[in-house]
Amino acid sequence: ETGVTQSPTHLIKTRGQQVTLRCSSQSGHNTVSWYQQALGQGPQFIFQYYREEENGRGNFPPRFSGLQFPNYSSELNVNALELDDSALYLCASSSTRVNTEAFFGQGTRLTVV
Amino acid sequence: AQKITQTQPGMFVQEKEAVTLDCTYDTSDQSYGLFWYKQPSSGEMIFLIYQGSYDEQNATEGRYSLNFQKARKSANLVISASQLGDSAMYFCAMREGQNGANNLFFGTGTRLTVIP
Repeated sequence: ETGVTQSPTHLIKTRGQQVTLRCSSQSGHNTVSWYQQALGQGPQFIFQYYREEENGRGNFPPRFSGLQFPNYSSELNVNALELDDSALYLCASSSTRVNTEAFFGQGTRLTVV
Repeated sequence: AQKITQTQPGMFVQEKEAVTLDCTYDTSDQSYGLFWYKQPSSGEMIFLIYQGSYDEQNATEGRYSLNFQKARKSANLVISASQLGDSAMYFCAMREGQNGANNLFFGTGTRLTVIP
C-alpha cells in the first residue's frame, strides 16, 4: 500500500461534460503529478503541482486543469470531455526532498461515451 | 526522439527462472533518475526499484535488480526466481534534472507472462 488514494475508481461520462478526479498524496510528500494512460500505452504526464501551484505541464490542452490543497491533496478537472479522454488517470505522489520516490495511486478509469 | 524505449512488447519466463526486461533512455542531463514499475491488470502502478545517475552500484530490491550501464544508456530490470504473481506489465521511466518539474517519462511497457 502506497498511501496514495484516488477517487472515484471508475467513472462514465458523456461527451461534453466535465469531470473532477481526486487524489490524496502519501504522508510527507509535497508534490502531486497527474498522468493519463490510454489503453495499451505508457502513462503520459499531464501536469504537476507543488506548493499549490502548477509546476510543469505536459502536452495537454487547457481544458485539463488542476488544484492542489494545503494538505497536498489534488484534483484533476477536465472540461468539455472528448471520447479520446477515455483512459486510466493516475496520480503520483513524490517529495522534492527525496527524489528517489514516486508512488502512484490505483488510478481512476474514465470512460467517455 | 523517445526518452524511454522498451523494445520487448511481451516476454515469457518459466517459473523460478530469471528474466531481463530491457530499457534504454535518452537524455542530455547529467542528473537523472530511472524507475521501474509493475502494473497488474488492476491498474495500480507499483514502484519496484530506483537508480540514480550518480549511483555507482546497481540498485537491488529483493528479487529485483537494475543493470545500469550508463555509457550505453541502458537500465535493464532483472527479476530473479520468477513467480506466477510477477505476471504483469512492466514500465521503465526516467526523471530528468534535479530542479523544477520532476515528472516521469514512461516507455511503452513490456508484458511479462510467467509460465508454471
